[in-house]
Amino acid sequence: DGGITQSPKYLFRKEGQNVTLSCEQNLNHDAMYWYRQDPGQGLRLIYYSQIVNDFQKGDIAEGYSVSREKKESFPLTVTSAQKNPTAFYLCASSIDNGGVPQPQHFGDGTRLSIL
Amino acid sequence: DQQVKQNSPSLSVQEGRISILNCDYTNSMFDYFLWYKKYPAEGPTFLISISSIKDKNEDGRFTVFLNKSAKHLSLHIVPSQPGDSAVYFCAARGGQGKLIFGQGTELSVKP
Repeated sequence: DGGITQSPKYLFRKEGQNVTLSCEQNLNHDAMYWYRQDPGQGLRLIYYSQIVNDFQKGDIAEGYSVSREKKESFPLTVTSAQKNPTAFYLCASSIDNGGVPQPQHFGDGTRLSIL
Repeated sequence: DQQVKQNSPSLSVQEGRISILNCDYTNSMFDYFLWYKKYPAEGPTFLISISSIKDKNEDGRFTVFLNKSAKHLSLHIVPSQPGDSAVYFCAARGGQGKLIFGQGTELSVKP
């Protein structure tokens, strides 16, 4: 079954620690995205990548970093510089076919909490 | 500046009746609009989309209407079912394929 897998589902971090959230897809999608969801604020784009070894900042990239070494994988690191990291993090992917609109498909999310 | 807005945080309807969820946007350059459904602790699921060159798209019980002059999007669910109870997000496609999401509307369908 093709899909997007995010792990772990729940993650706890001590203040001052970096933590990495995993996102893997077997849909052969070119583009991948990371969003953050906070109550009442919808989804906000952190980083996105349209091709391997390339990524761009979204609207709220400060305190986060990403890598895209493989097409299937787009891990997100929440660094100690992120002052309010407690949130629900969602990874998505889509076909990037040069203009014809395609929906993004989402994983089931990782809830990050600070201890 | 919120480019995509869902002004109703919640909506309650009776089973069998119509649910109408609304969404407003500010950028006339958006070319593609989507609706997603989300259950708690799960990722959003794509429901239906519409291109800016159309004014209506239908898929079973779900119909999306686009009024470009008013910069307004709506999702109609007919008939509503208890399983439709979820948070609904509208989204608009901006530059470089990025999606801009509204804040969500929580729909409750009562038996």
